[in-house]
Amino acid sequence: EAQVTQNPRYLITVTGKKLTVTCSQNMNHEYMSWYRQDPGLGLRQIYYSMNVEVTDKGDVPEGYKVSRKEKRNFPLILESPSPNQTSLYFCASSSSLEGTDTQYFGPGTRLTVL
Amino acid sequence: AQSVTQLDSQVPVFEEAPVELRCNYSSSVSVYLFWYVQYPNQGLQLLLKYLSGSTLVKGINGFEAEFNKSQTSFHLRKPSVHISDTAEYFCAVSDPGGSQGNLIFGKGTKLSVKP
Repeated sequence: EAQVTQNPRYLITVTGKKLTVTCSQNMNHEYMSWYRQDPGLGLRQIYYSMNVEVTDKGDVPEGYKVSRKEKRNFPLILESPSPNQTSLYFCASSSSLEGTDTQYFGPGTRLTVL
Repeated sequence: AQSVTQLDSQVPVFEEAPVELRCNYSSSVSVYLFWYVQYPNQGLQLLLKYLSGSTLVKGINGFEAEFNKSQTSFHLRKPSVHISDTAEYFCAVSDPGGSQGNLIFGKGTKLSVKP
């Protein structure tokens, strides 16, 4: 089954404790991105990657890092989480064949930073 | 910069009634337009998209949307809703000339279908 998976689905952590949210897709998509969803704000892009070893900032990159060492994986790293990073995070992927704008989303990771 | 405005944050409607969820965008260039649906506790699912061609786009689950360039709108419609359509709906826009395929999302409209 074609899908985007994220782990963990739920995470409660404390300020300053480094964490990584994994994202993996099995569709051989070149393009991957991370969004955060906050009530009343919709989704906002954090980082994106056009292909392996190619990443760039989205609209709200502060406090986040990403890497793209393999085509299928695109982890989101919070080096020193803060409470304002409490949010619902979505990973998405897309293909240049179908159009990078047509994105497929993972199930989401709900992060709480205390 | 592009932006998307969803005019209603919440839309309550009775089952089998028609519904329209409104979306306006601002852009000085041609755009691609999308509607995504998010069911409770799930990720986003593509409902339909407009890239070019016919301005009336049909999507899954009986939804359709009409692209109106002069009014910069892309309203979503369904002639008869079901309880199972209860979800949050997001309109999104992207610049086909952009390199990153970044989707700009509206703030969402919560559709609540009542029996």
